[in-house]
Amino acid sequence: QQQVKQSPQSLIVQKGGIPIINCAYENTAFDYFPWYQQFPGKGPALLIAIRPDVSEKKEGRFTISFNKSAKQFSLHIMDSQPGDSATYFCAAPTPGGATNKLIFGTGTLLAVQP
Amino acid sequence: DVKVTQSSRYLVKRTGEKVFLECVQDMDHENMFWYRQDPGLGLRLIYFSYDVKMKEKGDIPEGYSVSREKKERFSLILESASTNQTSMYLCASSFGDRVGGYTFGSGTRLTVV
Repeated sequence: QQQVKQSPQSLIVQKGGIPIINCAYENTAFDYFPWYQQFPGKGPALLIAIRPDVSEKKEGRFTISFNKSAKQFSLHIMDSQPGDSATYFCAAPTPGGATNKLIFGTGTLLAVQP
Repeated sequence: DVKVTQSSRYLVKRTGEKVFLECVQDMDHENMFWYRQDPGLGLRLIYFSYDVKMKEKGDIPEGYSVSREKKERFSLILESASTNQTSMYLCASSFGDRVGGYTFGSGTRLTVV
């Protein structure tokens, strides 16, 4: 069974800090690695995703780094703000089955203190 | 604004009851998914459907079944609810020919007493 291992489980940083969340996968149907952000009382929403043709992708203050040989990818949040406090999930497409489906990591609860 | 709508935000049911969780999407997505979310365990796939009347088991299908009679609606059924099914249930949908791009509903918090 495909697993995506995510760490840390929780993270506290000060405003302006750079939290880093890491994920490792075993096998993937193809190289597409998204990150989802979930605020309390809401469903997860797609934050940013990376495909295999690049090793890094930036969208605003959020950056994904991808290391294919190590089967790892990470999320960096530059100049973090209290509004970034949320749960973050990484995911990877799992091989097999009739359609593309994502397997999610266990989540990281991020708290950004003012 | 496109969305995935889950019929109930909070639900309390008794052990042994048959429970229906409903999900409707208005994006004409082929794929629909049911996940459960538990602290420390993340999002675990229960069942998914890639077309009307088509379904596949996810990682934790035991104790659950699903129904998809129309493209926009995907129902999760707990045949005989048990206390270990107390959880947050999330529905998601996506286009069939695209990777990821899931749109999630806001979830149903189910408590089985």
